[in-house]
Amino acid sequence: AQSVTQLGSHVSVSEGALVLLRCNYSSSVPPYLFWYVQYPNQGLQLLLKYTSAATLVKGINGFEAEFKKSETSFHLTKPSAHMRDAAEYFCAVSGAGSYQLTFGKGTKLSVIP
Amino acid sequence: NAGVMQNPRHLVRRRGQEARLRCSPMKGHSHVYWYRQLPEEGLKFMVYLQKENIIDESGMPKERFSAEFPKEGPSILRIQQVVRGDSAAYFCASSPTGTATYEQYFGPGTRLTVT
Repeated sequence: AQSVTQLGSHVSVSEGALVLLRCNYSSSVPPYLFWYVQYPNQGLQLLLKYTSAATLVKGINGFEAEFKKSETSFHLTKPSAHMRDAAEYFCAVSGAGSYQLTFGKGTKLSVIP
Repeated sequence: NAGVMQNPRHLVRRRGQEARLRCSPMKGHSHVYWYRQLPEEGLKFMVYLQKENIIDESGMPKERFSAEFPKEGPSILRIQQVVRGDSAAYFCASSPTGTATYEQYFGPGTRLTVT
């Protein structure tokens, strides 16, 4: 069984500041990990994914995430926030070879001008 | 290459009516997944289908909900005799294969409101 915990349902940062969105997972098998972004009234767009290759994963729009097995974490970061980054972000986990994604409850990111 | 298409985008039904949600996967994708997003919640897996086959429906409510993916045409999620608790956003995703090696591409969702 897998589960995902996203710490902080709302995060606010100033434009140009560091973005850090936290995700911890539990999985009984080697995990595949994903970050998705959802803009208002839209579907989910994949930002990046970890599938057991490099532990530091770079995604679109300047985002990256680091897989830390010892901490069971996959936190999402971006060095400098833009106004267009305001959205809801979801962390998801799947077991290797599985197809079913288990999502966290999401973190709404607000960017203050 | 068009993305995953879902229609309608918004659907209003009265209690007791039927809701039909459609999903056309990306071209070349033969694996379809349905997820439900309740307010303030993440997405929850409902069902996984391939053409003419239900592979895993472990996330589907036992009653009133059904899904199909016919040989021709879109995948359909059907909710009979809707209740207020069915109000949610329903997302369809597709992938070229049935493992997480390939990411799932999500459609824009259908927002169902039951009055």
